[in-house]
Amino acid sequence: GESVGLHLPTLSVQEGDNSIINCAYSNSASDYFIWYKQESGKGPQFIIDIRSNMDKRQGQRVTVLLNKTVKHLSLQIAATQPGDSAVYFCAENPGDDKIIFGKGTRLHILP
Amino acid sequence: DGGITQSPKYLFRKEGQNVTLSCEQNLNHDAMYWYRQDPGQGLRLIYYSQIVNDFQKGDIAEGYSVSREKKESFPLTVTSAQKNPTAFYLCASSIVSARGYNEQFFGPGTRLTVL
Repeated sequence: GESVGLHLPTLSVQEGDNSIINCAYSNSASDYFIWYKQESGKGPQFIIDIRSNMDKRQGQRVTVLLNKTVKHLSLQIAATQPGDSAVYFCAENPGDDKIIFGKGTRLHILP
Repeated sequence: DGGITQSPKYLFRKEGQNVTLSCEQNLNHDAMYWYRQDPGQGLRLIYYSQIVNDFQKGDIAEGYSVSREKKESFPLTVTSAQKNPTAFYLCASSIVSARGYNEQFFGPGTRLTVL
């Protein structure tokens, strides 16, 4: 089975509100985590990453939180905009050259 | 302009035919990957290659074949042995780092439809 998964397949958020997308992973050996955004009909785009020696990392309007105790990863998007509509994937790297992807969460922005 | 290109964007194939999907990168990345994505699903690894003339099977390699004759190119052949080939195929590349950190950059994808 998959070692990386998301709690909710679809998330609807009011424009301007903050979005929080969650992810659980099961491989304790994973030491690198990535969030990707995939718009319809396109390839995934890198958003932000975090290494296991950190518990928080911030980018432009995005923050990733890592809780190694419960093997949980989250992506926070501030002031959600219509352009944020996409499927978001978390991914983990268990130390080799492969990345394991979760199934994704679709983010809907409500006007 | 650096990046990963995949062609064609849309591909139609008759059942029983082999078809080859192109993936080219000019990022000077060592590693390249092929994933399959089905509707509403995540990415599943088909094959990957860390170096020229070498490649490994991923989780769903049956019915597919690859070659890595050049660093820039990693074509994927979907053979007639693949029972359910209709899907969105994504190619990616990455630098192989000594510490295993592995940010992958993706191409735009090829949507294959078997008629």
